[in-house]
Amino acid sequence: SSELTQDPAVSVALGQAVRITCQGDILRSNYASWYQQKPGQAPILVIYDQKNRPSGIPDRFSGSASGNTASLTITGAQADDEADYYCSSRDISGDHRLFGGGTTLTVL
Amino acid sequence: QVQLQQWGAGLLKPSETLSLTCAVNAGSFNGYFWGWIRQPRGKGLEWIAEINHRDTTKYNPSLRSRVTISVDTSKKQFSLELRSVTAADRGVYYCVRGNLFYNYAMDVWGQGTTVTVSS
Repeated sequence: SSELTQDPAVSVALGQAVRITCQGDILRSNYASWYQQKPGQAPILVIYDQKNRPSGIPDRFSGSASGNTASLTITGAQADDEADYYCSSRDISGDHRLFGGGTTLTVL
Repeated sequence: QVQLQQWGAGLLKPSETLSLTCAVNAGSFNGYFWGWIRQPRGKGLEWIAEINHRDTTKYNPSLRSRVTISVDTSKKQFSLELRSVTAADRGVYYCVRGNLFYNYAMDVWGQGTTVTVSS
């Protein structure tokens, strides 16, 4: 399968840790990247190659993977982290990009 | 700081062709992939196509028959053409850069163009 599956919504208490997951068979062989999108804004890259942060992304964002699941963890969630998060990877051919359906994170 | 500036007609009638262009306002054009992503209102992201400076192109199989992506390296611009639009093509269209240093993850995004299809 070339699909990436995310939970539609996740919530976290302010200052707590939260994990957002992305499942797909392709993740057994391809790395995931993660994007954060706030309402009315373009997405921004927060994790690439499964676990790496681009410059400027706070270190409370981290990525990991196991088997067919990639995870984005936010340690010490802030109100500003409330957003939609999308995972992305490439299909088995490597020629086509895939996106998960997105997870809406609510910080309580 | 690299920025992508995109433009194009945002109001179309069914069966018309959507044409969008994106300009890279700083930095190198070569060595990256340049692409388009769209997002229907209230929904998720969908990859459309990408191209590099050598005209290597990749297309979403579900859109391939209606899409052309092209590049003008002399102007540091790339363009999207989507033919025979329908209401299903409505949404925000973003141009993006796939960065070699991030294994071609998309690290720069345009401001987005809202596309409406209505008779």
